[in-house]
Amino acid sequence: GDSVTQTEGLVTVTEGLPVKLNCTYQTTYLTIAFFWYVQYLNEAPQVLLKSSTDNKRTEHQGFHATLHKSSSSFHLQKSSAQLSDSALYYCALSDRGGSAKLIFGEGTKLTVSS
Amino acid sequence: DTTVKQNPRYKLARVGKPVNLICSQTMNHDTMYWYQKKPNQAPKLLLFYYDKILNREADTFEKFQSSRPNNSFCSLYIGSAGLEYSAMYLCASSPGGLDTQYFGPGTRLLVL
Repeated sequence: GDSVTQTEGLVTVTEGLPVKLNCTYQTTYLTIAFFWYVQYLNEAPQVLLKSSTDNKRTEHQGFHATLHKSSSSFHLQKSSAQLSDSALYYCALSDRGGSAKLIFGEGTKLTVSS
Repeated sequence: DTTVKQNPRYKLARVGKPVNLICSQTMNHDTMYWYQKKPNQAPKLLLFYYDKILNREADTFEKFQSSRPNNSFCSLYIGSAGLEYSAMYLCASSPGGLDTQYFGPGTRLLVL
């Protein structure tokens, strides 16, 4: 079946250093969109990035991700992590040709320390 | 305003008792979703409404009910709560069903 895999459950990085959160997927959907959602403590998940174009870099709030259909990946990266980036990050895919339900990964908790 | 509201934020229920969770949005979105999130697991879609049409996932078909009395409100109903229903329940809405989903903060349900 369709699935999203986030290999790291917990990532800890020092402020100012780069960070990369991994996301890979398996899907039988023909038309798909990808999302990174971020959830800060006691808040609602909110969309950070979205993309449906292969090999196109998408950027927002200093984060960037590129959908690579050849490797079934949509990794999230930032060149310099900030303390305020500490949160739970979800990678998700959506079937744009159907119900558009989101299939989520298990999430990666990012902790940025000083 | 992209706010989705959920009530209550925390719910304590007894085994065998019904549970009703409420979600509201004022963005006039066509589609509203309910997801279940358990610790160390991915959020999982339970059901969604596209306008007035309810779609329930096959593996949770008999466990959850829902109603959408108007465009703004959507409820999630558990007729007889079991321990396995303890989880975070996330509501989301989307314009037209093919765009970004906007989430509420969730309702944390604990069944004892």
